[in-house]
Amino acid sequence: DAKTTQPNSMESNEEEPVHLPCNHSTISGTDYIHWYRQLPSQGPEYVIHGLTSNVNNRMASLAIAEDRKSSTLILHRATLRDAAVYYCILRDGPFGGYQKVTFGTGTKLQVIP
Amino acid sequence: DVKVTQSSRYLVKRTGEKVFLECVQDMDHENMFWYRQDPGLGLRLIYFSYDVKMKEKGDIPEGYSVSREKKERFSLILESASTNQTSMYLCASSLRSAGHTNSPLHFGNGTRLTVT
Repeated sequence: DAKTTQPNSMESNEEEPVHLPCNHSTISGTDYIHWYRQLPSQGPEYVIHGLTSNVNNRMASLAIAEDRKSSTLILHRATLRDAAVYYCILRDGPFGGYQKVTFGTGTKLQVIP
Repeated sequence: DVKVTQSSRYLVKRTGEKVFLECVQDMDHENMFWYRQDPGLGLRLIYFSYDVKMKEKGDIPEGYSVSREKKERFSLILESASTNQTSMYLCASSLRSAGHTNSPLHFGNGTRLTVT
């Protein structure tokens, strides 16, 4: 399985942008990059996913390197509600529905008021 | 909104007991998953199922079994609970998307199991 590597923790000041990095040097051509976050005392929730192009939604933006070996989740203005553990995972496009979905330890984001 | 419901928020069981953790989803999803979460170890996949009566081992299946008799329900079974199975257990479901679209996982809020 292709794996991802994330920093254990990061800090950000409130109302400033946050860039959460993820390395996936063994990514295959059909792997999608997914991001989830887990707020305290809750299950993880989906944030965003992409294949090659940068993606935006109401929660965040996803920037994918040209060689696809790394990606960055961007929170444009961090709020205290964004303090969570963020997970970057890979899922195979054609066969992902029949395959296990593996999470790692993620990045714990602390937002400082 | 998709709802994934886990039967108990907190559970305390004794060593050697048989334990059932139940998970129900209301969106007709084909795929269901069971994870455990421990400090410093992140989320680890125990079992998953991509259809009724189908099950696949995840990364840490030892000591666990599962049952998927109906599409909406996925049960995790600890045949003989041990103290090292004290953990937070999370259930998730998703559509089994075809082609190049990955349906996101929807998680329940977890069951904190303590085995004494």
